[in-house]
Amino acid sequence: DQQVKQNSPSLSVQEGRISILNCDYTNSMFDYFLWYKKYPAEGPTFLISISSIKDKNEDGRFTVFLNKSAKHLSLHIVPSQPGDSAVYFCAGDSDMRFGAGTRLTVKP
Amino acid sequence: KAGVTQTPRYLIKTRGQQVTLSCSPISGHRSVSWYQQTPGQGLQFLFEYFSETQRNKGNFPGRFSGRQFSNSRSEMNVSTLELGDSALYLCASSPRTDTEAFFGQGTRLTVV
Repeated sequence: DQQVKQNSPSLSVQEGRISILNCDYTNSMFDYFLWYKKYPAEGPTFLISISSIKDKNEDGRFTVFLNKSAKHLSLHIVPSQPGDSAVYFCAGDSDMRFGAGTRLTVKP
Repeated sequence: KAGVTQTPRYLIKTRGQQVTLSCSPISGHRSVSWYQQTPGQGLQFLFEYFSETQRNKGNFPGRFSGRQFSNSRSEMNVSTLELGDSALYLCASSPRTDTEAFFGQGTRLTVV
């Protein structure tokens, strides 16, 4: 059972614009959600998290929004930079159930 | 502070063989999780260990097994390798089970 889903395998945006990465989940018991970024040939690195009791968490250019009624979370990157080009994974809770990932490409 | 160390980095095995991958977590981290990454499937959870006990297990066949030692180092074993087992195997450690995880660089396994 795939408890966390990322339905967009790829996203391409122009430098300076907003990148919005989406994630849907089925397990209402998740206490928190995390976003990871992965560059080729490297392990994923933690980016930002959000507790299930909040609807927004912001860290610099990165903001994660949580819509519990829709079981949906999104990661906003503003402004996007070419160095943000990577695969982004969302994960739910300590079991670390990851989505399939979304490859973000930021074009100069 | 040293990061998560996975050995070996690259491995080539033949179908039917078995393989053991090793993971040394960050010092002080007691939780270790293993993941399989393939191009089409993203990150698939294999299992999680905490204080030498398996806490969770993903949906993988019994050919995939793991263990954790008293020093928190962990190994995963895959027996009777199949071509489809070719993947990047990632290990992640965290101090507890409810915090973000730190990943190693992975072991690239190729089964021929």
